[in-house]
Amino acid sequence: GEDVEQSLFLSVREGDSSVINCTYTDSSSTYLYWYKQEPGAGLQLLTYIFSNMDMKQDQRLTVLLNKKDKHLSLRIADTQTGDSAIYFCAEVAPSGYSTLTFGKGTMLLVSP
Amino acid sequence: DAEITQSPRHKITETGRQVTLACHQTWNHNNMFWYRQDLGHGLRLIHYSYGVQDTNKGEVSDGYSVSRSNTEDLPLTLESAASSQTSVYFCASSESSGFLTGELFFGEGSRLTVL
Repeated sequence: GEDVEQSLFLSVREGDSSVINCTYTDSSSTYLYWYKQEPGAGLQLLTYIFSNMDMKQDQRLTVLLNKKDKHLSLRIADTQTGDSAIYFCAEVAPSGYSTLTFGKGTMLLVSP
Repeated sequence: DAEITQSPRHKITETGRQVTLACHQTWNHNNMFWYRQDLGHGLRLIHYSYGVQDTNKGEVSDGYSVSRSNTEDLPLTLESAASSQTSVYFCASSESSGFLTGELFFGEGSRLTVL
């Protein structure tokens, strides 16, 4: 089946903006999500966007949704070393209510 | 505070042995999930449950089983461990209405090595 696609690695300098991109599979997805995984830990929900929205802003985070291209992005402004983590894009799995299909994750490395 | 705990956090076993990974949540969530995380594959769904006595196969269920005898626990059993099952396993839970926000609460993971 089709996969949720993400670039695997992103390296930025502290203070720069980071943009993590994702291409999802199901055009009928009602919600799309970004999860963050810090080293040695489980995933935590970072933010989400409803499919009738184009943009959602939450402090340093901006989520952009292009439904036509099935493209989702996460922008982190003023990236800090504490933002270094793996970021996962996720959509509701077509086969299962309440189950999510995750991308492979993008490792963000922030250098001082 | 409510939480979700996994045990053991680390386990080394031999090929062919049966292994059970425990998952316990105190949120009283109906939905529980098991994922495995592998380099190059991200997170893949193994099994999930929407409530007591309910279990469903996920994307990579072969060689795994689960049972749900109460709300709090969803143990994952590897019937006969294989080297391909070396991975980090994550348990997660969510409320019944959780699909609206998709907020899964994850445990800290169980690292399993099969020699």
